[in-house]
Amino acid sequence: KQEVTQIPAALSVPEGENLVLNCSFTDSAIYNLQWFRQDPGKGLTSLLLIQSSQREQTSGRLNASLDKSSGRSTLYIAASQPGDSATYLCAVSTGGGNKLTFGTGTQLKVEL
Amino acid sequence: NAGVMQNPRHLVRRRGQEARLRCSPMKGHSHVYWYRQLPEEGLKFMVYLQKENIIDESGMPKERFSAEFPKEGPSILRIQQVVRGDSAAYFCASSPPGDGTGYTFGSGTRLTVV
Repeated sequence: KQEVTQIPAALSVPEGENLVLNCSFTDSAIYNLQWFRQDPGKGLTSLLLIQSSQREQTSGRLNASLDKSSGRSTLYIAASQPGDSATYLCAVSTGGGNKLTFGTGTQLKVEL
Repeated sequence: NAGVMQNPRHLVRRRGQEARLRCSPMKGHSHVYWYRQLPEEGLKFMVYLQKENIIDESGMPKERFSAEFPKEGPSILRIQQVVRGDSAAYFCASSPPGDGTGYTFGSGTRLTVV
């Protein structure tokens, strides 16, 4: 059974810091891995998707890496801003890519 | 393209009543998924549907819960005889045919059972 763990559970940083969020999964037979952002009371916004054959993806200040063999992914956020405050969720897909298993998230607060 | 539309946004039901949650997928998306987010827990997969077919319902509770995605109209998640433990945020997502990339989530329905 796939299990996804995210560390840390919560993180508070001053504006401008670079930070790393971690995600680990127990079954390396994944189809892809996605990072999502969830704002309070809102839905999920997909940030980055890494196919199992890829090592990393970048979008603006975000960079996500994937090491499938060790069951790890990291989300790197450069020059953090207060608007980055949200919960970040990691999810892996199996079974042809249609079913996602989520971690419990990292709640990020970026302070002025 | 309006995205994945879920309604209602908030739903309050008394114990024993029925809850019906609706999800209209993005235009061109034929796959629909339902996830549940319990307080202080992560999102859990419930069911994956295509038009008129349930593909994977391995995450659905065995009793009181059902889902459908008819040929016409939105997907419906139905919870009969709700209990307090059903209080949660229910999210719908859709994707185009294929490998599940292009997952798009709705804003969710927050169900409160009183």
